[in-house]
Amino acid sequence: GQQLNQSPQSMFIQEGEDVSMNCTSSRIFNTWLWYKQDPGEGPVLLIALYKAGELTSNGRLTAQFGITRKDSFLNISASIPSDVGIYFCAGHDNYGQNFVFGPGTRLSVLP
Amino acid sequence: EPEVTQTPSHQVTQMGQEVILRCVPISNHLYFYWYRQILGQKVEFLVSFYNNEISEKSEIFDDQFSVERPDGSNFTLKIRSTKLEDSAMYFCATQGSGTEAFFGQGTRLTVV
Repeated sequence: GQQLNQSPQSMFIQEGEDVSMNCTSSRIFNTWLWYKQDPGEGPVLLIALYKAGELTSNGRLTAQFGITRKDSFLNISASIPSDVGIYFCAGHDNYGQNFVFGPGTRLSVLP
Repeated sequence: EPEVTQTPSHQVTQMGQEVILRCVPISNHLYFYWYRQILGQKVEFLVSFYNNEISEKSEIFDDQFSVERPDGSNFTLKIRSTKLEDSAMYFCATQGSGTEAFFGQGTRLTVV
């Protein structure tokens, strides 16, 4: 079945460090999305990617849609304590079809 | 900023009881989704809904589950006879003309 993998599963970093996390898929998607989830909250959209090779930034966040359309990465620069949470990638094809979520990367930021 | 609203935020129910989870989509959005997340696990797709009918559903979405838009605004998920393993966070998501899905804050369902 459809499956996304994310790496690393979890990471502990010092405040101020840069972070990089990846998402890979066994199949092609037309859209990649990155979400952040805080404890007890719903996923919040961070970045959406629409074209293979696309590199998009949102503040300290940068994400790229892999050329093969089977992978994506998310970078966070100069991490701060509020970056703590679970980061999910999601792949999507067409309207009305489900968004396939990865298992998440749990980020902890140490002061 | 428009947002997806879910009620209740937390529901406790006895096993075998019916529950209805409600979602108010972002205005003008046409595609609706339900996802669930068992504590500490990944976000799992349940069902997508468009034009008053189900577009796609997962194997989790069995005969115990149903969805509808009873009044053209609310989007509901009904679980007819809850089981212990139905305990999870249930998220509604809606999608407009773009390809992004926006999620509500979730309903925490606890089946006892």
